Amino acid sequence: DTAVSQTPKYLVTQMGNDKSIKCEQNLGHDTMYWYKQDSKKFLKIMFSYNNKELIINETVPNRFSPKSPDKAHLNLHINSLELGDSAVYFCASSQGLAGGYEQFFGPGTRLTVL
Amino acid sequence: EDQVTQSPEALRLQEGESSSLNCSYTVSGLRGLFWYRQDPGKGPEFLFTLYSAGEEKEKERLKATLTKKESFLHITAPKPEDSATYLCAVQDRGSTLGRLYFGRGTQLTVWP
Repeated sequence: DTAVSQTPKYLVTQMGNDKSIKCEQNLGHDTMYWYKQDSKKFLKIMFSYNNKELIINETVPNRFSPKSPDKAHLNLHINSLELGDSAVYFCASSQGLAGGYEQFFGPGTRLTVL
Repeated sequence: EDQVTQSPEALRLQEGESSSLNCSYTVSGLRGLFWYRQDPGKGPEFLFTLYSAGEEKEKERLKATLTKKESFLHITAPKPEDSATYLCAVQDRGSTLGRLYFGRGTQLTVWP
């Protein structure tokens, strides 16, 4: 059983379009995250949600909007896509916020903006 | 300023040649230090969590250690299947709960 899953795995789109990436975890975790990995493989946090509440909202353009319909799902919607949005986006989850819990990552969504 | 610095950036080892990867960190208080392995085209795979200086953890050919300023990932008698990028990340007690700061990784290649 896949612990953290994301769809789609690949996303190729034109500048200016709007797209969404979906994430689901079946680990029973309370906290979910979105990360961006750039072309140099550097991973940086974008958002985190705990029990559907937004906790971390990094300095990210407001074209990016996360939504958590329930504890097991965290989606990322991106409006007016730009060339610089091309990257790999990873969803992750952890048992909670405190206690130094490890985060488990999904397989990633490679977004290419043409 | 980077909270986490990993070295070397890349490491090539012959099969069986043991070595260590370094992760140095700067935080106000360490909540946890994490090691991950990332294969090309895949998400980071969790390996270890270390919480306090002196702590050690082992898994097969890998052993992670922690001091007050750095962590080492020791690889004993590596095999080609150990080839991957190894990422180090820290949680800082002074930061928002759950925030992980990642290093830029060490790309390990083990050749037969």
